[in-house]
Amino acid sequence: VQLVQSGAEMKQPGASVTVSCQISGYGLNTLYIHWWRQGPGKGLEWMGGFDPRHSKVMSAETFQDRLTMTEDTATDIAYMELTRLTSEDTAFYFCSTDRGSAYFYFDIWGQGTLVTVSS
Amino acid sequence: EIVLTQSPGTLSLSPGESATLSCRASQSVGTYLGWYQQKPGQAPRLLITDASNRATGIPARFSGSGTGTDFTLTITRLEPEDYAVYYCQQRFDSMYTFGQGTKVDIK
Repeated sequence: VQLVQSGAEMKQPGASVTVSCQISGYGLNTLYIHWWRQGPGKGLEWMGGFDPRHSKVMSAETFQDRLTMTEDTATDIAYMELTRLTSEDTAFYFCSTDRGSAYFYFDIWGQGTLVTVSS
Repeated sequence: EIVLTQSPGTLSLSPGESATLSCRASQSVGTYLGWYQQKPGQAPRLLITDASNRATGIPARFSGSGTGTDFTLTITRLEPEDYAVYYCQQRFDSMYTFGQGTKVDIK
């Protein structure tokens, strides 16, 4: 399995950004994609993803009204849209998936997409 | 939300020495704890699952232990490629958190 993300984005405050994650080696209908971010010099923060135990998309409270995660199984591409951007959203954004731990851990990661929010 | 606290913040060691990294959870996570390695400009790499199981392809010099709230990642005989930031991670109630990381750098 390989995850390849879209390229760097520069956005103005208040705008929205969409990051894509192309899956190869497996069909998207057999995997669940989770999204994370990492601010400059900071640790990793989970944003959201599909929880197979509860059969629904879960997301961190921090993002719940700004974050939309979608998947196109025809093209095996997952998307993450974050709206109403502020400078605090400047970060690397990663997609990830799991092949064998029931989504307790993540062994496959995209290369990361830098999103810069600046006026 | 379960908070993971890692210590020390930085560990300065010479090649060939052993590293002991700690991760403490704000409440019990059983053995549902993982460890990752991250190098600058790269995505995280999964090292350990369920507190003590090495992920596929991870060298035997990496080992994990612990249960409940206290966990340890040990790297015996540091190799040049082991200098990186290490994170612990847990999943509870469908939410995930990472520790703030321990940087292992060259002394």
